[in-house]
Amino acid sequence: EVQLVESGGGLVQPGRSLRLSCVASGFTFGDHAMHWVRQAPGKGLEWVSGISWNSGTIDYADSVKGRFTISRDNAKNSLYLQMNSLRVEDTALYYCAKAVLRFLDPFDYWGQGALVTISS
Amino acid sequence: EIVLTQSPGTLSLSPGERATLSCRASQSVGSNYLGWYQQKPGQAPRLLIYTASSRATGIPDRFSGSGSGTDFTLSISRLEPEDSAVYYCHQYATSPYSFGQGTKLEIK
Repeated sequence: EVQLVESGGGLVQPGRSLRLSCVASGFTFGDHAMHWVRQAPGKGLEWVSGISWNSGTIDYADSVKGRFTISRDNAKNSLYLQMNSLRVEDTALYYCAKAVLRFLDPFDYWGQGALVTISS
Repeated sequence: EIVLTQSPGTLSLSPGERATLSCRASQSVGSNYLGWYQQKPGQAPRLLIYTASSRATGIPDRFSGSGSGTDFTLSISRLEPEDSAVYYCHQYATSPYSFGQGTKLEIK
């Protein structure tokens, strides 16, 4: 059974940093591209960042470019999102999502999300 | 950036009826890399349709997708109470990937 479990969310002040983690199981993690998608309270879905199986392709939404860094450790079946210079508008539930296989594939499994709240 | 616009915003139908949800892209979606997701309250999204018309694993054939280029449709036949959810379209052809704003489907 595919499982994606996010952690690292919490309440932080604007301008501070946070690191999200996603541990995967039930599939060969190193074969698949992975993504982060967020959802602000009561709002729709927003793609944040994606990374290919070997970290050769990495991309970001304009809203987080230069502030967020995606990475992965295939030996640990883990995906990460380093979030710096956080803003109030970054408040959201952050989902880890597995691509069917390639970077240009839809997302067939999602975690339950990590809640990030940015407030003073 | 490809902007996806979904309509209607809310759809209220009765069990047994057919729902038709629209997703229009601001520019052509390459290779019809357009997917549809269902999200119920408190749950993560679930993939229903990919490449515009292919059903994901385990999705009932009541759900079907169609369209190409800039106009796409998700159809749900024989509506059931459990189909009540928000439905999102998603293009994964061109970065930055984007989602529509969602259509809320209510089953009366």
